[in-house]
Amino acid sequence: NAGVTQTPKFQVLKTGQSMTLQCAQDMNHEYMSWYRQDPGMGLRLIHYSVGAGITDQGEVPNGYNVSRSTTEDFPLRLLSAAPSQTSVYFCASSYRPSGRGTDTQYFGPGTRLTVL
Amino acid sequence: TQLLEQSPQFLSIQEGENLTVYCNSSSVFSSLQWYRQEPGEGPVLLVTVVTGGEVKKLKRLTFQFGDARKDSSLHITAAQPGDTGLYLCAGAKTGTASKLTFGTGTRLQVTL
Repeated sequence: NAGVTQTPKFQVLKTGQSMTLQCAQDMNHEYMSWYRQDPGMGLRLIHYSVGAGITDQGEVPNGYNVSRSTTEDFPLRLLSAAPSQTSVYFCASSYRPSGRGTDTQYFGPGTRLTVL
Repeated sequence: TQLLEQSPQFLSIQEGENLTVYCNSSSVFSSLQWYRQEPGEGPVLLVTVVTGGEVKKLKRLTFQFGDARKDSSLHITAAQPGDTGLYLCAGAKTGTASKLTFGTGTRLQVTL
């Protein structure tokens, strides 16, 4: 198993450009999520999905869209990039949603995005 | 609003020293997890605690969940250079389907 894969690893955008960050997992996990990591702020949840066709907003969803057409893939779209979206983005997956949050979340290696 | 505050933010110690990292909140969590993250990689789960007062040991690492389930601590005995990394606590609330709130992080450096 490859686990959770993310592409690209690095990306530089100009303000106003759009792009899609790719995330895929081969563990048949139902739950997938996107986080952004900024210095001194830990990880903040952007969007998450509890299964194919179901998505919901996290803590910082503005400026980002997601869709979940398959169990394996969970792309994150930046509609019109802004410098405030410069960050490291992590995708994560877990086996199934747990009411107590005790599932192990498996993280991808991250995408480092810079918006000029 | 950051619900989980970690302290200290940075810690630089020598091999063999002991240290404790704290994770504090005013909110109650149904469970709390600790992750370690190395440069250029995603976080990796170390432990999950679910019961108030629970203590779990992982070799030289001891994790404790507060009685009121609002705080947690990570104690490392005889730190080694391999312990270097960013330590993150993450809390989940009942019924939130694995939505985690992450702490601010503690960056640990252990030198020879």
